[in-house]
Amino acid sequence: DQQVKQNSPSLSVQEGRISILNCDYTNSMFDYFLWYKKYPAEGPTFLISISSIKDKNEDGRFTVFLNKSAKHLSLHIVPSQPGDSAVYFCAASGHSGAGSYQLTFGKGTKLSVIP
Amino acid sequence: DAGVIQSPRHEVTEMGQEVTLRCKPISGHNSLFWYRQTMMRGLELLIYFNNNVPIDDSGMPEDRFSAKMPNASFSTLKIQPSEPRDSAVYFCASWASGSGEQFFGPGTRLTVL
Repeated sequence: DQQVKQNSPSLSVQEGRISILNCDYTNSMFDYFLWYKKYPAEGPTFLISISSIKDKNEDGRFTVFLNKSAKHLSLHIVPSQPGDSAVYFCAASGHSGAGSYQLTFGKGTKLSVIP
Repeated sequence: DAGVIQSPRHEVTEMGQEVTLRCKPISGHNSLFWYRQTMMRGLELLIYFNNNVPIDDSGMPEDRFSAKMPNASFSTLKIQPSEPRDSAVYFCASWASGSGEQFFGPGTRLTVL
């Protein structure tokens, strides 16, 4: 049972346009959400996060939107650049009693930005 | 800071052999996570440690898998005996208390023939 779902395995976008990557979750206990970017032969790297007390967080070209009632978040990249081509993972966590944040990942969306 | 270090980067072995994957977390990070990435299941958590103590190993697929963290700067994931279905990329990640994100190593690509 997937608690974090990325229903689009791939997405192609023209350079300069907006990329929108979507993520849905089912666990109401999740209170912190992250996006990771992964290039081939490398580990995932942290991109941007959002706490459940917010509905938007922006960092340069990257903005994450959170809709708690719909249990949905999205990552917007504007403008998209060829270097953004990678696999993007959505992740969610809820604070555990051990004091460590255990992340649950989606399966990823492969973004291709076409020059 | 060298980041999370994993070795080896690639491992090719034959079915039935023992495989040991190694991880050195970022200094000062008190939690360590082992993940497995496959096409079918994506990134799944196998086990994590907090202050060198295993907290949750419910993601470990079978008794053939075991993990240890003898000290704050080293962890191993062992598969014995290995099977072709264990072929995947295995990631180690570490996390510092108070930080929001986990930091991943480059991964070990395991191929079991």
